[in-house]
Amino acid sequence: KAGVTQTPRYLIKTRGQQVTLSCSPISGHRSVSWYQQTPGQGLQFLFEYFSETQRNKGNFPGRFSGRQFSNSRSEMNVSTLELGDSALYLCASSLRTGGIDTQYFGPGTRLTVL
Amino acid sequence: DQQVKQNSPSLSVQEGRISILNCDYTNSMFDYFLWYKKYPAEGPTFLISISSIKDKNEDGRFTVFLNKSAKHLSLHIVPSQPGDSAVYFCAASASQYGNKLDFGAGTILRVKS
Repeated sequence: KAGVTQTPRYLIKTRGQQVTLSCSPISGHRSVSWYQQTPGQGLQFLFEYFSETQRNKGNFPGRFSGRQFSNSRSEMNVSTLELGDSALYLCASSLRTGGIDTQYFGPGTRLTVL
Repeated sequence: DQQVKQNSPSLSVQEGRISILNCDYTNSMFDYFLWYKKYPAEGPTFLISISSIKDKNEDGRFTVFLNKSAKHLSLHIVPSQPGDSAVYFCAASASQYGNKLDFGAGTILRVKS
């Protein structure tokens, strides 16, 4: 079974621009979560989508948003980019059948904001 | 507020010996704990997990121990191999919070041959 895929793998943007990252979950997985990894803050939860609905949200400003499509693929968008948004953005998918659930991560998208 | 802590930034172990990675947590609502292994520029790879109703879970060379009263878990790798060299993250979740994982800062494991 193919793993979680993320596109693009690398991205360079300038301050003020916006960016859209894409994630395709493992086949059959209905939950997609997004995380940001930076050297200073570590791995931090952004939000989770399940059945096209945002189920959970971390402590990030409204510039960070996402959505999920009917095929469970997800996108996240960051508007008005700031230098501090430079990070590795990770997507994780899980079955989300209820109760305990293991998340499997994609390779990430490395975003650099200049 | 960091609710999952890995207080050892790095650990160096000889090949064939045991590696013990530690993790502490503060939120008593956490009921599921996971360990992930990560190489630079890659996503975390799931290793092993444990539910709060258990105190031990084994999978091959990897064993995770959970001490709920101490809010402490550990990952044992026996025997350690050079290919185990990576960053190891401890993560925790609470059923009521859905799929939100809280991660520790990570421990760099170096296995010397």
